[in-house]
Amino acid sequence: GQQLNQSPQSMFIQEGEDVSMNCTSSSIFNTWLWYKQDPGEGPVLLIALYKAGELTSNGRLTAQFGITRKDSFLNISASIPSDVGIYFCAGPPRGGGATNKLIFGTGTLLAVQP
Amino acid sequence: DGGITQSPKYLFRKEGQNVTLSCEQNLNHDAMYWYRQDPGQGLRLIYYSQIVNDFQKGDIAEGYSVSREKKESFPLTVTSAQKNPTAFYLCASSILYPGDYGYTFGSGTRLTVV
Repeated sequence: GQQLNQSPQSMFIQEGEDVSMNCTSSSIFNTWLWYKQDPGEGPVLLIALYKAGELTSNGRLTAQFGITRKDSFLNISASIPSDVGIYFCAGPPRGGGATNKLIFGTGTLLAVQP
Repeated sequence: DGGITQSPKYLFRKEGQNVTLSCEQNLNHDAMYWYRQDPGQGLRLIYYSQIVNDFQKGDIAEGYSVSREKKESFPLTVTSAQKNPTAFYLCASSILYPGDYGYTFGSGTRLTVV
């Protein structure tokens, strides 16, 4: 099925470093969602974006809705060990038809070394 | 508290046996979903349901079956026809049009075939 492409695929950083990741699509999205999955748990919604150019923060996390509506970005400032996990972007494809299912990105695995 | 509960957290199955994973939600959500997650991979949709007594195949439905007899419950059966069932299984629920709000995920069931 259709997927959103996330990069990088994985990141290994030192505690205190800033992190940037992105999500791209070949088609337009009207909403971008960012999830975090802790090891051995289900994903949890972090941030939702609804307008092109929108910049939204949640603590040390900041996400942006790309101007082209085909991409989104997530930044984490001053990383800490509990930031470890997999970060997924997701969204409903425009003109998603009768199914109304979300499309999920391929995920970015983040490892933080104390 | 409203939420979505998966049980058990860990499940072991002998080859050739069917096994059923439980998923219950008290969020009054219309739609429910089952995903499979393998190490290093993203989320792959197995089945989804948008209304009681109706469900649709996802991208990897072969070897799996579901039922939706109650709005709150969406159990997944992993049959002996599933060639490689060892994986992490995630259940999710949402309103009928989840675009703006996303899915709520359970905490997952890790299935191991021994």
